[in-house]
Amino acid sequence: AQRVTQPEKLLSVFKGAPVELKCNYSYSGSPELFWYVQYSRQRLQLLLRHISRESIKGFTADLNKGETSFHLKKPFAQEEDSAMYYCALRIPGGFKTIFGAGTRLFVKA
Amino acid sequence: EAQVTQNPRYLITVTGKKLTVTCSQNMNHEYMSWYRQDPGLGLRQIYYSMNVEVTDKGDVPEGYKVSRKEKRNFPLILESPSPNQTSLYFCASSLGPRWFYGYTFGSGTRLTVV
Repeated sequence: AQRVTQPEKLLSVFKGAPVELKCNYSYSGSPELFWYVQYSRQRLQLLLRHISRESIKGFTADLNKGETSFHLKKPFAQEEDSAMYYCALRIPGGFKTIFGAGTRLFVKA
Repeated sequence: EAQVTQNPRYLITVTGKKLTVTCSQNMNHEYMSWYRQDPGLGLRQIYYSMNVEVTDKGDVPEGYKVSRKEKRNFPLILESPSPNQTSLYFCASSLGPRWFYGYTFGSGTRLTVV
């Protein structure tokens, strides 16, 4: 069965520290993976897409097919990064997207 | 401004009273979807639509109906709401199923069924 697991409900780091939000997926084919972010009182918005290997707001995410992971990383966390982060798996060629339960990142001053 | 608009933002209703949450997008997106967000469970897909008159069930469709008569609109209908449908609902749209098309989300509808 397709599944997205974000093992940490809450992640708290100090400003300037590295941060890694974990995402593991279960899917037998080639996955299409995304990270979405929800800042306080704002709507969910797309942060990153896999394959494009882009860096948005200092965040990057690498797809590791061997470990079936798509962890989100940032070398130096900022207070404005505090938000809820969701990893999502879209089934290729179709329209079904599965979200993880989310990780709340709290960056302390 | 390109956006997904949901109404209402907040709704309190009583068990069994039919309600509709509207969703409209102005981006000519083919694909639209409804999710509910519950603490500890993340977002779960209720229904999705690939185009006009084409809809399919997501992971938690029980108790919900949808329709897609026009490309821009995708209302969520609760024929007989129950307290377990108290949740935060999001509508989302996407240009298509290709990997580079992420979702654009609405601002959410917080529904309370008493």
